[in-house]
Parts: sequence; C-alpha cells; structure tokens
Amino acid sequence: KQEVTQIPAALSVPEGENLVLNCSFTDSAIYNLQWFRQDPGKGLTSLLLIQSSQREQTSGRLNASLDKSSGRSTLYIAASQPGDSATYLCAVTVVIQGAQKLVFGQGTRLTINP
Amino acid sequence: KAGVTQTPRYLIKTRGQQVTLSCSPISGHRSVSWYQQTPGQGLQFLFEYFSETQRNKGNFPGRFSGRQFSNSRSEMNVSTLELGDSALYLCASSRGQGFSYEQYFGPGTRLTVT
Repeated sequence: KQEVTQIPAALSVPEGENLVLNCSFTDSAIYNLQWFRQDPGKGLTSLLLIQSSQREQTSGRLNASLDKSSGRSTLYIAASQPGDSATYLCAVTVVIQGAQKLVFGQGTRLTINP
Repeated sequence: KAGVTQTPRYLIKTRGQQVTLSCSPISGHRSVSWYQQTPGQGLQFLFEYFSETQRNKGNFPGRFSGRQFSNSRSEMNVSTLELGDSALYLCASSRGQGFSYEQYFGPGTRLTVT
C-alpha cells in the first residue's frame, strides 16, 4: 500500500530565506507526483506536476525534484515571502489494476514571518 | 474564465440522512474528481468521472456514490450518513482523464453530521 509522508508537519522561517519541503513515498512505482498548496478554508492550488520520467519541474521561485529510486521529492522555494504561507501537500498517482488513484501526504504547514 | 464552483458551501445533516453535493467544473473540462478532507485522515481520493463514466475510484464504501452529467457537472451522494462523514469535500476539474493534467479545485463543501 502506497504511503506518502511529509516532514516536518509545520515549518516557520523568516521572510527572504530559501527553504525545502520534503515528501517521501513507500512505493517507487508511481505514475507522477504533484505539489499543491492549500490556503486556510480554501481548496487546493496545483503548483507543479512531475511525470515519473522527469527529474524536476520549475515554476517561478518554485522547483520540485523527484527521485523515484529513493522514494523522495523536494519542493524548493526561493526567496520566501509572507504570501507563501500555506499548507503544502504532495500527492502521488499510483496505478492499480489499470485504475489511477491519487495518494496525498498530510502536508507541511509553512509560515513565513515578515 | 470562471473557476470550479461547489454548492452548497456549508451543510449540516443528521446521522442516518443522505446528502447530495454539486460541483460545476471549469468550462471545457471533462474530468471531475472528488476528495474528502478530515483532520485525522487528511485528503483522500473518492472517485473521478470523465465523460459521464466513473473512471477511477478510491477506497470508500458504497455509501459514497457519484454521477456526472452531459455538461460535465457532477454530483456526489452520501447515504446513511455517519458522524465520521463530517469533512470538507473538495472537487477538482481537469481537461483530461486521470491525473496527468493540472487539477483545478473548488472551495469545497463543509459537511457536518450531528
């Protein structure tokens, strides 16, 4: 059974710092991996999607890497801003008997202090 | 372009009742996925509909069902409500089937079962 873990559960850093969020998964047979952010009381916003054949994806100040063999992904945020404060979730797509399922981690609650 | 809309936003039901939630996808999107988010279990995938057919399914009991209409709007039904069904229910739409496409989430429906 695929399990996705995100450590730490919460992180607080001063504005301007570069930071890394971690995501690990137990089964390397994933279809892809996605990073989302969730603001309080709101739905999720897709940040980056990495296909299983890719090693990384970049969007603005965000860079996500994927290492299937070690079952890990990282989300790098450069020059953090207070607006980056949110909960960040990673999710992997697994294929079981031809059907896709999305498995989420519990998320990392990020606070950027001005 | 209008985003994903969910109705109602808040709902209070009594144990044993049934409930129907609605999701209107972004125009042109043919896939709608449903998720349940609770503090204890986190975010869990319920099912995905594409072209009026359920394509992928998570590990939820048969009390949870859904359907999709020809205009891609989707409804989710939960019968015989239990206290543990209290959660934020999110839907997401995307251009294609499965999870290779960016997903756009709605704001969610907060269901409270008493």
